[in-house]
Amino acid sequence: QKEVEQNSGPLSVPEGAIASLNCTYSDRGSQSFFWYRQYSGKSPELIMSIYSNGDKEDGRFTAQLNKASQYVSLLIRDSQPSDSATYLCAVNPGYGGSQGNLIFGKGTKLSVKP
Amino acid sequence: DAGVIQSPRHEVTEMGQEVTLRCKPISGHDYLFWYRQTMMRGLELLIYFNNNVPIDDSGMPEDRFSAKMPNASFSTLKIQPSEPRDSAVYFCASSKLGNQPQHFGDGTRLSIL
Repeated sequence: QKEVEQNSGPLSVPEGAIASLNCTYSDRGSQSFFWYRQYSGKSPELIMSIYSNGDKEDGRFTAQLNKASQYVSLLIRDSQPSDSATYLCAVNPGYGGSQGNLIFGKGTKLSVKP
Repeated sequence: DAGVIQSPRHEVTEMGQEVTLRCKPISGHDYLFWYRQTMMRGLELLIYFNNNVPIDDSGMPEDRFSAKMPNASFSTLKIQPSEPRDSAVYFCASSKLGNQPQHFGDGTRLSIL
């Protein structure tokens, strides 16, 4: 059973701080990794994708991938109250790149306090 | 660009009734996915299609659920007969390639009384 694990939270950080969200996955062959943000009552929205080991930065967001440790993380710098949402980690098991399904973690709820 | 379009946005019906959810993927996307989200189980993949062909339906909970994709721009998820435990938010998503990001519709909030 392929699994993606996240701490459910809630993770509470003060405004302006760095929020660190973590995710582990069980399928060592996984190739594609995504972070989605989901506001309450809304649909998941893609914020980052990462395919190779290391860091990938986009504005205030940095995704980090370590395939040896089967670990992917998302850092949010200068956190804002508008970042308060549930963050979903998703992993493509990646057998050959032609298989499309993503396995989602249950999400980490982030709360940024003003 | 138009995103994934789902209808209806909300559906309230009585147990035993047939429910049909509809989805129009992003033009040019070859993959279409149906998910169900509940508080208890999170986001679960029900079925996905590649080029209108069902690839993996192992997430479909039981025979009461069926999905079709008659053409590249339309898919349906049908529940017949519906039960209260089917109450959830159902999302449709699409992607251009299998290992690329999926883009979600606004979802259908389904309540079975």
